[in-house]
Amino acid sequence: DTGVSQDPRHKITKRGQNVTFRCDPISEHNRLYWYRQTLGQGPEFLTYFQNEAQLEKSRLLSDRFSAERPKGSFSTLEIQRTEQGDSAMYLCASSLATGEGLGYTFGSGTRLTVV
Amino acid sequence: DAKTTQPTSMDCAEGRAANLPCNHSTISGNEYVYWYRQIHSQGPQYIIHGLKNNETNEMASLIITEDRKSSTLILPHATLRDTAVYYCIVRVRDNAGNMLTFGGGTRLMVKP
Repeated sequence: DTGVSQDPRHKITKRGQNVTFRCDPISEHNRLYWYRQTLGQGPEFLTYFQNEAQLEKSRLLSDRFSAERPKGSFSTLEIQRTEQGDSAMYLCASSLATGEGLGYTFGSGTRLTVV
Repeated sequence: DAKTTQPTSMDCAEGRAANLPCNHSTISGNEYVYWYRQIHSQGPQYIIHGLKNNETNEMASLIITEDRKSSTLILPHATLRDTAVYYCIVRVRDNAGNMLTFGGGTRLMVKP
């Protein structure tokens, strides 16, 4: 499979617990993005990496959220002390920094439900 | 990035052309028009993009008006599998952040 993989697909957690999601981008893509999508809304940008460097973070990314991309390959998004408002679909995408199309490839997302 | 305006929802009969409009009246000269779609329970999927010329690929055609203030995505023969939310995004191709800013999109329902 040469697409973007996200794991898990679904996660149910109790409020206050920590959760971690993983994203495996397309191997030759040097940029990786995290987005969040709530029901009925378009995806909202959270953060992105170029290789292992985290270059930008949205104001949506509170201090309870942390993302890493060690060695510029896969990435993890951790949410500490989850709140009910964190319930959403978390989408990962990857792309090349330059080149034709600049189309992102998105994964299928991780749906988080905080109860 | 320039703001876009799309109808909230549209219906289309299966086999007919689906024409999805997008207004981007504040588009700048170096901003491209991108279209993505999102099928239920999947991530968004890139469809097509263009600057000022009309574009066509295996998925769709993109018609951009001469003043570039609006565009139309055309699915020539819509199928039930084209039922999705379609997002029109305007952005600089190589902006520093390179992120996409999604609006609410158009929910296209293809009916048999």
